Amino acid sequence: SQQGEEDPQALSIQEGENATMNCSYKTSINNLQWYRQNSGRGLVHLILIRSNEREKHSGRLRVTLDTSKKSSSLLITASRAADTASYFCAQPGNQFYFGTGTSLTVIP
Amino acid sequence: KAGVTQTPRYLIKTRGQQVTLSCSPISGHRSVSWYQQTPGQGLQFLFEYFSETQRNKGNFPGRFSGRQFSNSRSEMNVSTLELGDSALYLCASSLAGYEGETQYFGPGTRLLVL
Repeated sequence: SQQGEEDPQALSIQEGENATMNCSYKTSINNLQWYRQNSGRGLVHLILIRSNEREKHSGRLRVTLDTSKKSSSLLITASRAADTASYFCAQPGNQFYFGTGTSLTVIP
Repeated sequence: KAGVTQTPRYLIKTRGQQVTLSCSPISGHRSVSWYQQTPGQGLQFLFEYFSETQRNKGNFPGRFSGRQFSNSRSEMNVSTLELGDSALYLCASSLAGYEGETQYFGPGTRLLVL
């Protein structure tokens, strides 16, 4: 299976703290994408990082990519209760391979 | 611009029945992909359609099928339902389905098989 893995599987933090989640993937990539899913809903695209980029920012999101380790991390700074969701990395190819996801709970 | 819509949102069926789910992509998007999401298996790719042709297919049995119409709307069908088919079915659309394109997801259809 080319499905990636994310850790931790679940993360619970206080509002205002930073949240970091990690994604490991299995094959070489041209780019990696991160998505958010609110409980039982569709996924929302957050950010795309290309294989020649090491870091990318979007608002309170920071994504890093280490192609030598086949890993990526997503950092959410100054978290809010509204950030409570599951976060997935996705490896595009002839199909999207989604990671197992990290369930983030931000406690107000 | 309207987002991806899926109908119905919830569905209850019994084993052995068949079901058809519908997906309307964002206007102008020609690629539609379908995913099955379960707690045990996570998000798994079913198939992708582009210009009425199935372009990619995941590792699902032949009971799962789909089609796409000339207006890019897509349907997926599951025949002879099994309990394990209970899942959230998500469709996603993109302009042309090229690698690196953002996929826009619908809210999903939650299927419960009894």
